[in-house]
Amino acid sequence: GAVVSQHPSWVICKSGTSVKIECRSLDFQATTMFWYRQFPKQSLMLMATSNEGSKATYEQGVEKDKFLINHASLTLSTLTVTSAHPEDSSFYICSAGAGGFGNSPLHFGNGTRLTVT
Amino acid sequence: GIQVEQSPPDLILQEGANSTLRCNFSDSVNNLQWFHQNPWGQLINLFYIPSGTKQNGRLSATTVATERYSLLYISSSQTTDSGVYFCAVRDRETSGSRLTFGEGTQLTVNP
Repeated sequence: GAVVSQHPSWVICKSGTSVKIECRSLDFQATTMFWYRQFPKQSLMLMATSNEGSKATYEQGVEKDKFLINHASLTLSTLTVTSAHPEDSSFYICSAGAGGFGNSPLHFGNGTRLTVT
Repeated sequence: GIQVEQSPPDLILQEGANSTLRCNFSDSVNNLQWFHQNPWGQLINLFYIPSGTKQNGRLSATTVATERYSLLYISSSQTTDSGVYFCAVRDRETSGSRLTFGEGTQLTVNP
């Protein structure tokens, strides 16, 4: 089945530094990937839609200059949290679909737990 | 945007009991998925079920798209079933767009 790999699974960084999270589709190509964020005891909220070869689309309230998304190939999207602050500590999860939209499920990576100290 | 409501928000069961989780959504969908999030945060895809009924072992799901709801049945629950169950949908009118998640049902199965 379709597999989405996310790396790293957890990261601890100091306030003010940047962190890059990778999301790969291992056995399929994904022109679009999605980045979600989940705070403790809450649901998953979409942050942005990553489009291969073009700019990402950000949800309302998500700072595009803080959360940089690059989707340079059909199998890789990266999320960079720039100048991280403690309030950016969260669980970040990416997803992608192997088939045509509307006709297939989305598959999720295992997530990245970010802690900013 | 589309609204997704899950009930109950919390559920505590004794091992061996059966349960039904519900997901209501506010608009037509072309994708509905049920997930189990384990204590490590991993989202396990249980069912892709925009309509109809599916079964996988002790779990089964039914989506009645015309009435805008889906049900997840767990039979003979085990402690390993504990975790959060999410329903997520894709709005039919915005094909190609995101999955919108409900708030989840926190299930605790006691031995």
